[in-house]
Amino acid sequence: ETGVTQSPTHLIKTRGQQVTLRCSSQSGHNTVSWYQQALGQGPQFIFQYYREEENGRGNFPPRFSGLQFPNYSSELNVNALELDDSALYLCASSPASERAKNIQYFGAGTRLSVL
Amino acid sequence: DQQVKQNSPSLSVQEGRISILNCDYTNSMFDYFLWYKKYPAEGPTFLISISSIKDKNEDGRFTVFLNKSAKHLSLHIVPSQPGDSAVYFCAATDTDKLIFGTGTRLQVFP
Repeated sequence: ETGVTQSPTHLIKTRGQQVTLRCSSQSGHNTVSWYQQALGQGPQFIFQYYREEENGRGNFPPRFSGLQFPNYSSELNVNALELDDSALYLCASSPASERAKNIQYFGAGTRLSVL
Repeated sequence: DQQVKQNSPSLSVQEGRISILNCDYTNSMFDYFLWYKKYPAEGPTFLISISSIKDKNEDGRFTVFLNKSAKHLSLHIVPSQPGDSAVYFCAATDTDKLIFGTGTRLQVFP
């Protein structure tokens, strides 16, 4: 059984550009969540997808958007990048059996640097 | 406005001793509390959880205690091992999202 994988591992963009981050969920997991972790902080919830529908959103502007595909892989898109978007972006998946407890399994993240 | 707080940014413990990591929260409606461990260049790894209707949950060397009246939980690691050196995050469930604290860096020295 493979875990959660994210690509790319590192990315450098300039202010104003757009970026797409990708996540492949753990096998059998139908819920995927995205988090932003700034330096010295805990992960902050961006949004969650369940069966290809957005199922909750944190305090992030609309230029943060996402998709979940039928195979439960997912994308995070960020438009009009700002310097403060520099962070580690984490993808997490969870199986239906653990939704009540919200136990989520994380990938290693994508480190985004905006210059 | 931080709903989950870890007030100790770091903790240093000798191998074999007990490590106690603390976490405070403000929202009494949280259903579950979880602890995650994070090594550098890896994602957070789930460690142990506790339901809001329990006051203790144990898994091997790890025990989590919940004091609802004080809105406080703690993670005990006994005995501590050098491989436990990592950043530990406390998290609470709020509907479908996890709300994390800022983490405590644990260092276990020989």
